[in-house]
Amino acid sequence: QKEVEQDPGPLSVPEGAIVSLNCTYSNSAFQYFMWYRQYSRKGPELLMYTYSSGNKEDGRFTAQVDKSSKYISLFIRDSQPSDSATYLCAMNPGKAAGNKLTFGGGTRVLVKP
Amino acid sequence: GAVVSQHPSWVICKSGTSVKIECRSLDFQATTMFWYRQFPKQSLMLMATSNEGSKATYEQGVEKDKFLINHASLTLSTLTVTSAHPEDSSFYICSARDAGTSKNEQFFGPGTRLTVL
Repeated sequence: QKEVEQDPGPLSVPEGAIVSLNCTYSNSAFQYFMWYRQYSRKGPELLMYTYSSGNKEDGRFTAQVDKSSKYISLFIRDSQPSDSATYLCAMNPGKAAGNKLTFGGGTRVLVKP
Repeated sequence: GAVVSQHPSWVICKSGTSVKIECRSLDFQATTMFWYRQFPKQSLMLMATSNEGSKATYEQGVEKDKFLINHASLTLSTLTVTSAHPEDSSFYICSARDAGTSKNEQFFGPGTRLTVL
């Protein structure tokens, strides 16, 4: 079993819909949670950063962390064709583990005009 | 802010040659940088952690003599693929953590596509 599980998709939605992404993990030591967006042949771009449990909102993006369930989510409201990309969740336990990120496998999202 | 650059963005080389890839943090200092490789339609695989002023830490299965890492300053880390072979062809991406913040965010470079003929 992988440390971080993420549905590979593809997830196809019509423009304007809400995109819902999630990851589950097994390592209870993870404290820092991130969501990255990666376009084809490009480096990942940091979208959201969350420490510990809770919700965080930034524009059209909302990140949720539920440490008790070991489950994190990313919601994209009013999705646009330009949101079509692969979304990667990532997490790490912090400095004690060298700040190394553990990634999910990525979910490919396609927003159709 | 938080911009990481990589150079070159792509490189094609002959088998047996060495290739150097640079990773720079442009607007922050990074005591720690990370090197990843990514195969098509797969997630990122951590190769090594680059620490400024000290030796890199390599992940299990990564040959340290083949992938030489140097982190000579707070804004620059280099990865040299020595005696490259076709199986080394991949997308190499670096990331950097801002040393001036307590946050654990990592910012990624745009990647370098290496093709070994």
